[in-house]
Amino acid sequence: DIQMTQSPSSLSASVGDRVTFICRASQDINSWLAWYQQKPGKAPKLLIYSASTLQSGVPSRFSGSRSGTDFTLTISSLQPEDFATYYCQQAKTFPVTFGGGTRVEIK
Amino acid sequence: EVQVVESGGGLVQPGGSLRLSCAISGFTFSSYEMTWVRQAPGKGLEWVSYISSSGTTTYYADSVKGRFTITRDNAKNSLFLQMNSLRAEDTAVYYCARLQVSGWYEDVWGQGTMVTVSS
Repeated sequence: DIQMTQSPSSLSASVGDRVTFICRASQDINSWLAWYQQKPGKAPKLLIYSASTLQSGVPSRFSGSRSGTDFTLTISSLQPEDFATYYCQQAKTFPVTFGGGTRVEIK
Repeated sequence: EVQVVESGGGLVQPGGSLRLSCAISGFTFSSYEMTWVRQAPGKGLEWVSYISSSGTTTYYADSVKGRFTITRDNAKNSLFLQMNSLRAEDTAVYYCARLQVSGWYEDVWGQGTMVTVSS
């Protein structure tokens, strides 16, 4: 199975900060990667797919990129509604696998 | 409005069975692949199972293979997950999700249904 490793597991940030999340795949997944946002008690929400394509309706402050097997999610200016947990997911092969998540907390 | 609504969760004893259902509306169900994803309390997301749009192809996580069965009824816009030989480690919120046409990305999720396996 392809392992997805996210770092950090949590971070503290302030409104207006630029924040970056890292996700590393254990093998080549091309750009078959998605990022999801999940708030407590809610279902995950698709933010970005194919490593860098913004899902319809998602604010443009979210962006994604790829460098080999390393993937990055960036929020250019953190907003109050962005405090949540973020998961990456590889969609190259079954079993689809998720990273362990990065929790964003208010500083 | 696109809607995915799960039901069928509850408390079951170890070794027992449960059947989850997912009612779909607002899109052409028969055109989409579907999945089940679960989340144990306080833990991350775990993919459970996949079914093709026609229902002819299915995949399972190793952790549930041989115990869970995913099916669908396109005429009734419904997705199912039959769960047998349940274990304590199957305790989780189970989400039904639609896969995007362009890839195995879950773009529409239900609200989830809680399954608790305990004696």
